[in-house]
Amino acid sequence: KAGVTQTPRYLIKTRGQQVTLSCSPISGHRSVSWYQQTPGQGLQFLFEYFSETQRNKGNFPGRFSGRQFSNSRSEMNVSTLELGDSALYLCASSQTGQGAGNRFFGPGTRLTVL
Amino acid sequence: QKEVEQDPGPLSVPEGAIVSLNCTYSNSAFQYFMWYRQYSRKGPELLMYTYSSGNKEDGRFTAQVDKSSKYISLFIRDSQPSDSATYLCAMSSQGAQKLVFGQGTRLTINP
Repeated sequence: KAGVTQTPRYLIKTRGQQVTLSCSPISGHRSVSWYQQTPGQGLQFLFEYFSETQRNKGNFPGRFSGRQFSNSRSEMNVSTLELGDSALYLCASSQTGQGAGNRFFGPGTRLTVL
Repeated sequence: QKEVEQDPGPLSVPEGAIVSLNCTYSNSAFQYFMWYRQYSRKGPELLMYTYSSGNKEDGRFTAQVDKSSKYISLFIRDSQPSDSATYLCAMSSQGAQKLVFGQGTRLTINP
């Protein structure tokens, strides 16, 4: 079974630009969640989608948004990039997205904002 | 104060040593407790999970949860250089979609 794939793996953007990251979950998984990982804050929850519906959102500004398509693939968008948005963005797929259900993480997209 | 506290290390031990990794938490609603391992340039992978209090053993790894003290531990026996990675504790409450992670402890096992 193929794992979680994220594209692109690396991105360099400048302040004020916007960016779209993509995540393809494991086949059959309907939940995709997104996390931001930084050295200072660790992994922080951004949002979770299940069957195209956002079920939960973390404490991030509205510049961070996402969506999920009918094939469970998900995208996240960050508008008006700031230097502090530089981070590793991880997506995780799971069957239920709840409780202890195993979440399989992708390798992440490394975003650098200059 | 963060909901989950984890000593970021780094922690360096000789091969064969017993390693103890710990996290404390403040949210009494947490019911699921997980340990993830993250190698450099990779996403985290689930090592072990425990529901509520108690111990769980899987090979060289043992996870312990003490809900009364709000304290969880991961023990690695007979540590190997391949165990060198960052170890993250994570927790969630019943029915929650969100995992709350500790800062992660960077572990190095020296041959």
